[in-house]
Amino acid sequence: DTEVTQTPKHLVMGMTNKKSLKCEQHMGHRAMYWYKQKAKKPPELMFVYSYEKLSINESVPSRFSPECPNSSLLNLHLHALQPEDSALYLCASSQGFGWNTEAFFGQGTRLTVV
Amino acid sequence: DAKTTQPTSMDCAEGRAANLPCNHSTISGNEYVYWYRQIHSQGPQYIIHGLKNNETNEMASLIITEDRKSSTLILPHATLRDTAVYYCIVRVEGGGADGLTFGKGTHLIIQP
Repeated sequence: DTEVTQTPKHLVMGMTNKKSLKCEQHMGHRAMYWYKQKAKKPPELMFVYSYEKLSINESVPSRFSPECPNSSLLNLHLHALQPEDSALYLCASSQGFGWNTEAFFGQGTRLTVV
Repeated sequence: DAKTTQPTSMDCAEGRAANLPCNHSTISGNEYVYWYRQIHSQGPQYIIHGLKNNETNEMASLIITEDRKSSTLILPHATLRDTAVYYCIVRVEGGGADGLTFGKGTHLIIQP
């Protein structure tokens, strides 16, 4: 199984809502990532979890709150978002150690903030 | 990580070889060249990577110049499904997880 599964595929939320994005992998990968991608732009790294601990936060606003409950799951909790936060949110995983490790990406959650 | 430069867009006829160039003139000795692609509305997909030797897999070939300042990704027989944005990334390997830094990439359009 070389799949990273993200749910939901689409999400529309109001600026006062609280929602969560979910990501799951069963490849035994110990590194998991959140990326944000605006239309016609490349993906931008938001967070990195290594061995279930947050290791990189790319100065992301606190209205985005990541969580790694176990080695297979990664959540992104959303609260009080702005319309400009509308984007494709991508989750990825990789082995997290050693040399030449490729990253596997999910299909993303397309988020619209209204 | 070293910076890369890629053409914004390229066209290729279906069935022909698609050759995508990437310049990485400031690459360090311990940095690898990775290629990913992103088909519209999907997540990026790993294609191939290499250090200094040419590499080939079932998807593509990677040719790295001897001075390692540039490389070319070759899709030997392009199909319409190869239409995507192709990202060339250079990064240090080993140790922990640090994420990928994507540049603007090349939008490859395969023409029927």
